[in-house]
Amino acid sequence: SQTIHQWPATLVQPVGSPLSLECTVEGTSNPNLYWYRQAAGRGLQLLFYSVGIGQISSEVPQNLSASRPQDRQFILSSKKLLLSDSGFYLCAFYRLMNTEAFFGQGTRLTVV
Amino acid sequence: GIQVEQSPPDLILQEGANSTLRCNFSDSVNNLQWFHQNPWGQLINLFYIPSGTKQNGRLSATTVATERYSLLYISSSQTTDSGVYFCAVPNSGGYQKVTFGTGTKLQVIP
Repeated sequence: SQTIHQWPATLVQPVGSPLSLECTVEGTSNPNLYWYRQAAGRGLQLLFYSVGIGQISSEVPQNLSASRPQDRQFILSSKKLLLSDSGFYLCAFYRLMNTEAFFGQGTRLTVV
Repeated sequence: GIQVEQSPPDLILQEGANSTLRCNFSDSVNNLQWFHQNPWGQLINLFYIPSGTKQNGRLSATTVATERYSLLYISSSQTTDSGVYFCAVPNSGGYQKVTFGTGTKLQVIP
């Protein structure tokens, strides 16, 4: 069965520090991978998606970047964090055949 | 892009009560998912339901794609049902981009 792992679960970082969040998927190959952010309240905002190694599409301009160095690895990064980068970050993958989505457990990032 | 609205935005239930959550979408879709986000933030898949009705224990969901809505039924609610419920539908076009609804925040009180 497919599983998705995301870490760390929580992170407190000072303004201006770098960021690296990692997401890996098991039990499937060539998944579509996604990074979402959930700010205060309830809305989920799509940040990046990837349909293959090295292929990254960005939904919104921002201080973050994403990379996909391996088929089942998706990384969210920043060179210098801003206070506004605080939030709850979720990685997801979709089964290709029926676009059913599965999410990692999320990373709660607080920039201080 | 497609618009997805959920109602009600907030709901408080007494334990044991039943409820219906609604998801309206602005364009035709070929699939739809319901999620429960627990108080720790984790998104749990409830239903993948492009059309028809599915049931899983106390929860059931119905999607009427031709009328562009889906309903999530919660019966005999429990405090563990608390959290935010999202529906999500794919945008038209490629890359399986998915739009989430605005969410319904449910609080079940003992």
